[in-house]
Amino acid sequence: GAVVSQHPSRVICKSGTSVKIECRSLDFQATTMFWYRQFPKKSLMLMATSNEGSKATYEQGVEKDKFLINHASLTLSTLTVTSAHPEDSSFYICSARDGGSSAWAGELFFGEGSRLTVL
Amino acid sequence: SQQGEEDPQALSIQEGENATMNCSYKTSINNLQWYRQNSGRGLVHLILIRSNEREKHSGRLRVTLDTSKKSSSLLITASRAADTASYFCATASGNTPLVFGKGTRLSVIA
Repeated sequence: GAVVSQHPSRVICKSGTSVKIECRSLDFQATTMFWYRQFPKKSLMLMATSNEGSKATYEQGVEKDKFLINHASLTLSTLTVTSAHPEDSSFYICSARDGGSSAWAGELFFGEGSRLTVL
Repeated sequence: SQQGEEDPQALSIQEGENATMNCSYKTSINNLQWYRQNSGRGLVHLILIRSNEREKHSGRLRVTLDTSKKSSSLLITASRAADTASYFCATASGNTPLVFGKGTRLSVIA
């Protein structure tokens, strides 16, 4: 199956700093990637839809200036948590759909997630 | 808004037993998908069932879909300790991203 690589898997940072998380599709082109946030023992909360070559679409309640998303190529999307605070500590997961699949209905391929801890 | 709702929230069984998880949703769908997540890891796609399908099998997995009741079930037969994970259903509707349920945490005791 398709492989999505997410890096870093764990990051610890000081409050006020910015952290960048990368999501790469290794063997397919992903015109659309999705960023989720997951709290312990909870479901995935969709944060934003990342579209190659255009602005991301953010879900209601997600601060676009806080969570910067860039999708500069068909294989790479990045999420930058700016001026991180302890409440931003969470598990962030990206996913992608193979560009050949139906835009919304096909299966998603997930990265392994990034655990962010803000001190 | 959250669409799928899994039931039960947690399930503990002995190895060799069958595990059944249910998912209910609210609106019409194109398909319903089940994913598995090991603790602290990403999700892995298990199976997709289209709205015009009623049952689908994949190895030890059996998924049913009842669109009249807006519900689906995932059956894992002859469970193994390695099946211990969280299982999520996700629904695909129109031109919106997948919406995930809250998940069922399955513990298989050896």
